[in-house]
Amino acid sequence: SQKIEQNSEALNIQEGKTATLTCNYTNYSPAYLQWYRQDPGRGPVFLLLIRENEKEKRKERLKVTFDTTLKQSLFHITASQPADSATYLCALDLYNQGGKLIFGQGTELSVKP
Amino acid sequence: NAGVTQTPKFQVLKTGQSMTLQCAQDMNHEYMSWYRQDPGMGLRLIHYSVGAGITDQGEVPNGYNVSRSTTEDFPLRLLSAAPSQTSVYFCASSRLGTSEVAEAFFGQGTRLTVV
Repeated sequence: SQKIEQNSEALNIQEGKTATLTCNYTNYSPAYLQWYRQDPGRGPVFLLLIRENEKEKRKERLKVTFDTTLKQSLFHITASQPADSATYLCALDLYNQGGKLIFGQGTELSVKP
Repeated sequence: NAGVTQTPKFQVLKTGQSMTLQCAQDMNHEYMSWYRQDPGMGLRLIHYSVGAGITDQGEVPNGYNVSRSTTEDFPLRLLSAAPSQTSVYFCASSRLGTSEVAEAFFGQGTRLTVV
């Protein structure tokens, strides 16, 4: 069956450390993979997109990798800050159609000062 | 520029009642979608539309109807609410991706409780 899974446990890290979140999928062949941030009571907000032919993408303190052989994406936040505390969602975009995304269940990140 | 606007923010319904969740976007996006978010399950696609007059079903369409008469609006109708429809509903819009990134813009959500 088709499945997309993120870190099942909440992630707690110390300020200044690097947070690494995992997104694994099975039986999909996505053309794109997107990462979103969601704060409590708010809608998801787009962070980064990576294409199937890209190994790595960076934006400020964020880095995303995409391994289509392993069927896995890693999302890194370097020099983490308490303001980075939120739930992070990965989403498969099979056809570069942002309106038809397949989401993981999310990983709650807590950064302690 | 308001982005994606959903109304209402909160709603309590009795089983069997009907209601319409409203969604409007002002970015002239072709794509609009409705998702529901339940604890531990992530967002699941209910219905989506690629333009006025065109709609299609997502992963969990049962119990919901949609229509798209204009580019801006995409209402979601619950014809006979059931407790299983208690959830947080998000509307999203995006460009129809070609060479550009088709990121989705989400509304603030509607928290619906069916008793």
